[in-house]
Amino acid sequence: AQRVTQPEKLLSVFKGAPVELKCNYSYSGSPELFWYVQYSRQRLQLLLRHISRESIKGFTADLNKGETSFHLKKPFAQEEDSAMYYCALRDTGTASKLTFGTGTRLQVTL
Amino acid sequence: DTGVSQDPRHKITKRGQNVTFRCDPISEHNRLYWYRQTLGQGPEFLTYFQNEAQLEKSRLLSDRFSAERPKGSFSTLEIQRTEQGDSAMYLCASSSGGYTFGSGTRLTVV
Repeated sequence: AQRVTQPEKLLSVFKGAPVELKCNYSYSGSPELFWYVQYSRQRLQLLLRHISRESIKGFTADLNKGETSFHLKKPFAQEEDSAMYYCALRDTGTASKLTFGTGTRLQVTL
Repeated sequence: DTGVSQDPRHKITKRGQNVTFRCDPISEHNRLYWYRQTLGQGPEFLTYFQNEAQLEKSRLLSDRFSAERPKGSFSTLEIQRTEQGDSAMYLCASSSGGYTFGSGTRLTVV
């Protein structure tokens, strides 16, 4: 069965410090991985996906199949990055449903 | 089109009552999903529609739960004989590739 693990419930960093939100997965096939973000009082929204290999709001994430990881990184945290971050894996079945991790709350302080 | 709409935003009900939630997806999206999110957890898949056909249901979806998408447009999720354990945020998402989530319906069973 597929599984997504986010080991940290809360990550607190100072403004300007580097950020790394960890995500590990288990999946028997070829995974498609995503990071979703939920800002305070807003809906869940896509931040980035591994296949696009892009940087969104300064965040990047690289799929490491050897370590089965998809960690989210940003070199310099900003206050507006404070939010709940969810790593998700999409299966390749008919439903293309998402399996989410439990989420990590990122708190950026001055 | 303002995205995925869910109604109501909040619902408080007494244990044993029936409740129904509505989701209006993005009009050109043929895929519609329901997820449930409890405190401290990521969203968990409940069910999936391709147009009007319900193609997959999670084992989380007990026989007290029923979902419909009668004309392949809006969808309803009904919970009969609600229990306190049903208290959660119920999220709807639509997709034609990427997911777009609604703001959710927060159910509290007292």
